Amino acid sequence: ETGVTQTPRHLVMGMTNKKSLKCEQHLGHNAMYWYKQSAKKPLELMFVYSLEERVENNSVPSRFSPECPNSSHLFLHLHTLQPEDSALYLCASSQDVRTQPQHFGDGTRLSIL
Amino acid sequence: SQELEQSPQSLIVQEGKNLTINCTSSKTLYGLYWYKQKYGEGLIFLMMLQKGGEEKSHEKITAKLDEKKQQSSLHITASQPSHAGIYLCGADMGGSQGNLIFGKGTKLSVKP
Repeated sequence: ETGVTQTPRHLVMGMTNKKSLKCEQHLGHNAMYWYKQSAKKPLELMFVYSLEERVENNSVPSRFSPECPNSSHLFLHLHTLQPEDSALYLCASSQDVRTQPQHFGDGTRLSIL
Repeated sequence: SQELEQSPQSLIVQEGKNLTINCTSSKTLYGLYWYKQKYGEGLIFLMMLQKGGEEKSHEKITAKLDEKKQQSSLHITASQPSHAGIYLCGADMGGSQGNLIFGKGTKLSVKP
């Protein structure tokens, strides 16, 4: 139990569907992150939030839309995804953006049909 | 280009044997973090190294960071099946937002 909970654990969706991934942290951290993990590739940082404000966006396609309503919750809204978007999406949190280590959730395994 | 190289990519060892995993950067690191991941699950934080020459141990796992802060090794003594998984190194390259760059991981299998 890392204190970071992601739901759902698995998601299968068509390319025209709209769905959302949810992340919740119970650690009192101020920074939250979305990562993408594809087979045989390093973890790719997608978004960074600090106190609900987005501070980093690593050239992620607009079909991925993050939302951070408060410092404990982070969402990733998905719309019109492509087959190459199938991956494990990991959420992480840390005390602040310059504080390590990051604590990870178990991820959402996303499959695009 | 890949900024953080891990080797080997995969490793199969007999239970009870020692093993070492390496993580190398072409740039000086501000911090090096080792994580373990079981298939389809999240990353579990193992150890953090921030000073050149630093060495840390937890149970049978020892991690070291060289003096130049460009290379780290993770050593497991007397491996057990519970050590099996994917080991990832993550590095703080000094970016303004504390971003971590990760290696591709080393898949460890321990044969009983």
